[in-house]
Amino acid sequence: DIQMTQSPSSLSASVGDRVTITCRASRHISRYLNWYQHRPGKAPKLLIYAASSLQSGVPSRFSGSGFGTEFALTISSLQPEDFATYYCQQSYSTPYTFGQGTKLEIK
Amino acid sequence: QLQLQESGPGLVQPSETLSLTCSVSGDSISSRTYFWGWIRQPPGKGLELIGCVYFAGTTYDNPSLKSRVTISLDTSKNQFSLSLSSVTAADTAVYYCVSLIWSGYPYFDYWGQGILVTVSS
Repeated sequence: DIQMTQSPSSLSASVGDRVTITCRASRHISRYLNWYQHRPGKAPKLLIYAASSLQSGVPSRFSGSGFGTEFALTISSLQPEDFATYYCQQSYSTPYTFGQGTKLEIK
Repeated sequence: QLQLQESGPGLVQPSETLSLTCSVSGDSISSRTYFWGWIRQPPGKGLELIGCVYFAGTTYDNPSLKSRVTISLDTSKNQFSLSLSSVTAADTAVYYCVSLIWSGYPYFDYWGQGILVTVSS
């Protein structure tokens, strides 16, 4: 199985900050990398697919980058509703696997 | 826009079979666009893909679950179901039903809110 490792595991930031979460794959996955947001009590939400494609309806302050084994999710200016847990996920080979999550908290 | 909603018992006895249903609205589960699947998250642990099914009958089960999984479609009710046999405490988790866009770069585009299932006597 492909292992996905996110960093950091948790992050404290303020409204308006720019934050970046990174995700590393244990082997090459091309652009088969997706990002999800999970707020407590809500259904997880797709933000980015194919490493950098913004899902319809997702604000443009979210962006994704990367190729191969190194990927990043950037939020350009944090809003109050962005404080949540974020997961990366590879779909290069089955079983599709997830990172352990990055919890973004209010400073 | 798709909406998915899980239902089923919140408590299952050890060694029994866990059974969950996902009701889909906004599209037909016979759609050629989607696989339909289940993901779980044990308390304090990461997300794990359990398996997926396509309307034409193609299925995928995570080998880590050692053939305990059955995922099936009920087109008359626009629902799909999960059965996980011989459960233990390690199967305690929040279970999510999901839709998987499978062509091109696959991704899970919609998720249910999740249902907590506890395995305990």
